[in-house]
Amino acid sequence: GIQVEQSPPDLILQEGANSTLRCNFSDSVNNLQWFHQNPWGQLINLFYIPSGTKQNGRLSATTVATERYSLLYISSSQTTDSGVYFCAVVDNYGQNFVFGPGTRLSVLP
Amino acid sequence: KAGVTQTPRYLIKTRGQQVTLSCSPISGHRSVSWYQQTPGQGLQFLFEYFSETQRNKGNFPGRFSGRQFSNSRSEMNVSTLELGDSALYLCASSGGGQETQYFGPGTRLLVL
Repeated sequence: GIQVEQSPPDLILQEGANSTLRCNFSDSVNNLQWFHQNPWGQLINLFYIPSGTKQNGRLSATTVATERYSLLYISSSQTTDSGVYFCAVVDNYGQNFVFGPGTRLSVLP
Repeated sequence: KAGVTQTPRYLIKTRGQQVTLSCSPISGHRSVSWYQQTPGQGLQFLFEYFSETQRNKGNFPGRFSGRQFSNSRSEMNVSTLELGDSALYLCASSGGGQETQYFGPGTRLLVL
């Protein structure tokens, strides 16, 4: 099945800093989403982005499907951005999401 | 619209018991998927139900089962609980196609 890798595994930032999170996947996908899991376990979907670029406030994402990677940009980070960021994909043969291992982000005041 | 709801939020069971978890999707959503999250294995897909039929299944033993009712609410059942079943169980709902999934708050299960 499709493999999903995320980097870095852990990231510590000072409030106000910018960051880039990366998701690599091993096969073609027809669905890719980024999620944020807060410290209480709630998964919030950030972007549905199988290709192209999207922006939502301080967050933006780019997926280059032909090169099999996606990037999540967080600008002017805030302490509330802390948590784990997951990339999840559905390949062209499957119907269920395969999640990456996540990037744990800690934003310090 | 109300979000995805899951009950109960926390549960403690002992080995050998069985447990039933419930998930109510967003109104109008017909697909419900279940996931297990553990520190060691991460987020893993259990199964998906669409219009009362299991449409897709992950690689879990037969002790894990589920069903969906005509109002799209879904239940999952785990029989003969093992210590390794301790996890956060998440359900997600969507319209049924290739689009955004919305997750519930999860049920934390502890097996002693």
